[in-house]
Amino acid sequence: EDQVTQSPEALRLQEGESSSLNCSYTVSGLRGLFWYRQDPGKGPEFLFTLYSAGEEKEKERLKATLTKKESFLHITAPKPEDSATYLCAVRRGYGGSQGNLIFGKGTKLSVKP
Amino acid sequence: EAGVAQSPRYKIIEKRQSVAFWCNPISGHATLYWYQQILGQGPKLLIQFQNNGVVDDSQLPKDRFSAERLKGVDSTLKIQPAKLEDSAVYLCASSLDYRGEAFFGQGTRLTVV
Repeated sequence: EDQVTQSPEALRLQEGESSSLNCSYTVSGLRGLFWYRQDPGKGPEFLFTLYSAGEEKEKERLKATLTKKESFLHITAPKPEDSATYLCAVRRGYGGSQGNLIFGKGTKLSVKP
Repeated sequence: EAGVAQSPRYKIIEKRQSVAFWCNPISGHATLYWYQQILGQGPKLLIQFQNNGVVDDSQLPKDRFSAERLKGVDSTLKIQPAKLEDSAVYLCASSLDYRGEAFFGQGTRLTVV
């Protein structure tokens, strides 16, 4: 069964304390791994798409990496405004029902000043 | 560029009543998704449209949920009759095509009492 597991469920950091969030997946034929940020009361906001092992993408303090079994979202010197729930999703294929995104439960990040 | 628009933002109904949600995707986006997000969980796909055709509705409780996308643009999701367990946030998302990243609206928070 296709599955996406995110860890930890919750993470508390001090401002400036770098860390990583994990997303492990078991899907046959990955056609994209997506990272989203979700603030309370809002819809998920798109951050990155990764397609192949070894690929990396960066945006401000965030860097996403991908291996054959998992993805990491590295947060460097986080600020309180980085506090949010980070969601990981995978796409299994392009045709029919394979095209939709399967989401993990998310990691709730809190950054204290 | 305007984002995905959803209405209403909040809705409170009694069980066994009916409710409808509306979504206007990003202009030119052929693929439209409806997701259900229960508190503390990741979004779960209900239905996916490609233009005005249904691609995947395997997880839509068809005895009470229905959705349509007229003319391949706007979409409505209806629940009739509602149950207590339908309390959730209903998210609409769109993508350029079935391979692209999905962009989400703000969601509709439904409370069934």
